[in-house]
Amino acid sequence: GAVVSQHPSWVICKSGTSVKIECRSLDFQATTMFWYRQFPKQSLMLMATSNEGSKATYEQGVEKDKFLINHASLTLSTLTVTSAHPEDSSFYICSASGARYGYTFGSGTRLTVV
Amino acid sequence: GDSVTQMEGPVTLSEEAFLTINCTYTATGYPSLFWYVQYPGEGLQLLLKATKADDKGSNKGFEATYRKETTSFHLEKGSVQVSDSAVYFCALSDADSYGKLTFGQGTILTVHP
Repeated sequence: GAVVSQHPSWVICKSGTSVKIECRSLDFQATTMFWYRQFPKQSLMLMATSNEGSKATYEQGVEKDKFLINHASLTLSTLTVTSAHPEDSSFYICSASGARYGYTFGSGTRLTVV
Repeated sequence: GDSVTQMEGPVTLSEEAFLTINCTYTATGYPSLFWYVQYPGEGLQLLLKATKADDKGSNKGFEATYRKETTSFHLEKGSVQVSDSAVYFCALSDADSYGKLTFGQGTILTVHP
């Protein structure tokens, strides 16, 4: 079946630094990848949609300069949280969509900014 | 716009009890409907799905039927186990939304021995 690998699973960083999260589809080509943010005990909020080779489409209210998304290949998308602050602490989840497998989610990344 | 509403939790049950988690939706067109499960500290796993009216999705003893007339997709299981304790999300994907999933708020299920 389809597998999406997301790394790191958790990260702690200092305020003002940048953090990169990777999302890889291991056995299928993901034409589209989605990035979600989940606050404690809440639902998932879609942040952006990325298609391979093109700019990401951000949801309303999401700062594109703060959350940089790169989808350089059909198997890799990255989310970089730039100049992170404590309010960026959250659980980030990626999802990859391929023609055959539908949506497959990564295991998530717990970001803590101190 | 599209929206999904789930019954508020948390839901606490004893092992072997019957489970129902209600889910209703609002969408244009004919969406596909999903139930996802999230175990503590993990990402989401697809539990079941239905792509058209009257379809029944089923997996691991869980079932949900796509009811267009009531715009519902309630999740049921006849006998829950402790290992079913998790957060359950109802979601939809509209053909017009370019593959984006719209999630309900999630329902926390705790099953006691």
